[in-house]
Amino acid sequence: AQSVTQLGSHVSVSEGALVLLRCNYSSSVPPYLFWYVQYPNQGLQLLLKYTTGATLVKGINGFEAEFKKSETSFHLTKPSAHMSDAAEYFCAVIKAGSQGNLIFGKGTKLSVKP
Amino acid sequence: DADVTQTPRNRITKTGKRIMLECSQTKGHDRMYWYRQDPGLGLRLIYYSFDVKDINKGEISDGYSVSRQAQAKFSLSLESAIPNQTALYFCATSDLGTSGRKETQYFGPGTRLLVL
Repeated sequence: AQSVTQLGSHVSVSEGALVLLRCNYSSSVPPYLFWYVQYPNQGLQLLLKYTTGATLVKGINGFEAEFKKSETSFHLTKPSAHMSDAAEYFCAVIKAGSQGNLIFGKGTKLSVKP
Repeated sequence: DADVTQTPRNRITKTGKRIMLECSQTKGHDRMYWYRQDPGLGLRLIYYSFDVKDINKGEISDGYSVSRQAQAKFSLSLESAIPNQTALYFCATSDLGTSGRKETQYFGPGTRLLVL
């Protein structure tokens, strides 16, 4: 069965430091992959997505992710963390055989220290 | 105005009560979804609908029902609420697009439900 694993339920970085949030997936078909962000008391907002083509995907707010088929990974990075990046981040994959249903990871809560 | 709205935003109810959570969208999307979010579990799909005549169960539909009253409205009901249905509930929409499987889902702000 398909699954999404996010390593680390909590990640803490200092302001200005590199942000790295890890996501590994399992899929028997070419995956469509998404990163969503949830700010406190808000719904989820799309950061970026990979469907086909270029494996390095750029998103909003300076985030990017690289699809690595050999490693079944889709890690999210940002070169320099900002206080406003503090939120919960979810990786998701389209369920194979569905018409767009998402399977979500359990989420990683990012804290940014001044 | 928000594209996807949910009412109420917060609700406290008692075990055994019937409650309805409502979702409306102005994006003109055909597809609508209901999820629940529990701490440490991510989001799990309850029901989804690809048009007003199409309703499908998700991975955790037991204890829930839905109604797609119009393209823009999708309601979630708990017929007899129980405490383990305490969670944050999200509605989402997506367009069919040229390839529906790749389309982005847009989420409402959520309804926080507490069942006592």
